[in-house]
Amino acid sequence: ETGVTQTPRHLVMGMTNKKSLKCEQHLGHNAMYWYKQSAKKPLELMFVYNFKEQTENNSVPSRFSPECPNSSHLFLHLHTLQPEDSALYLCASSQEGTASYEQYFGPGTRLTVT
Amino acid sequence: KNEVEQSPQNLTAQEGEFITINCSYSVGISALHWLQQHPGGGIVSLFMLSSGKKKHGRLIATINIQEKHSSLHITASHPRDSAVYICAVGVDSNYQLIWGAGTKLIIKP
Repeated sequence: ETGVTQTPRHLVMGMTNKKSLKCEQHLGHNAMYWYKQSAKKPLELMFVYNFKEQTENNSVPSRFSPECPNSSHLFLHLHTLQPEDSALYLCASSQEGTASYEQYFGPGTRLTVT
Repeated sequence: KNEVEQSPQNLTAQEGEFITINCSYSVGISALHWLQQHPGGGIVSLFMLSSGKKKHGRLIATINIQEKHSSLHITASHPRDSAVYICAVGVDSNYQLIWGAGTKLIIKP
């Protein structure tokens, strides 16, 4: 059971498409994260929101655009992606946005860019 | 050299065996996390520790701050323990966890 949900679970999109990934947490946490996981690589942090404010942007290309309307919801807007952006995108939340708190992960969205 | 190193990268064992996965790190940390990722992709936090030892069911995590080393042990291993086990460290005043590459564990019946 997870208190973090992600939709869709799978997404196939062309390079000219625009799509959005959605994450919702039901844990009352104040921080939310987007991670990218490519095959055989460690997790890569993309964005951190702490109390709805973006506190980290890990040199992510502008074709990825996050949005955090409130502490419970996080979106990742995608446009003009490249095939190398194909990966598992994971959302997580924690009580606060420091590395001293446990992070709770969603099931991920498997993205394929064709 | 990566700041977080896990060993082994891959481990295959028979059901019932005692399993040890190691994590070494080179930075000062505020906390160390052990997480489990099943083939479906979902990641579950197993432990967060900054000193000593923690136990949950058949899982035990230990950390030696002086040696900058942590171990995850699984007693009486079972095929359902098959997963990737990931070590990550948190550094004070930093939002980011530094992630290890993971250890892929396969337990054969």
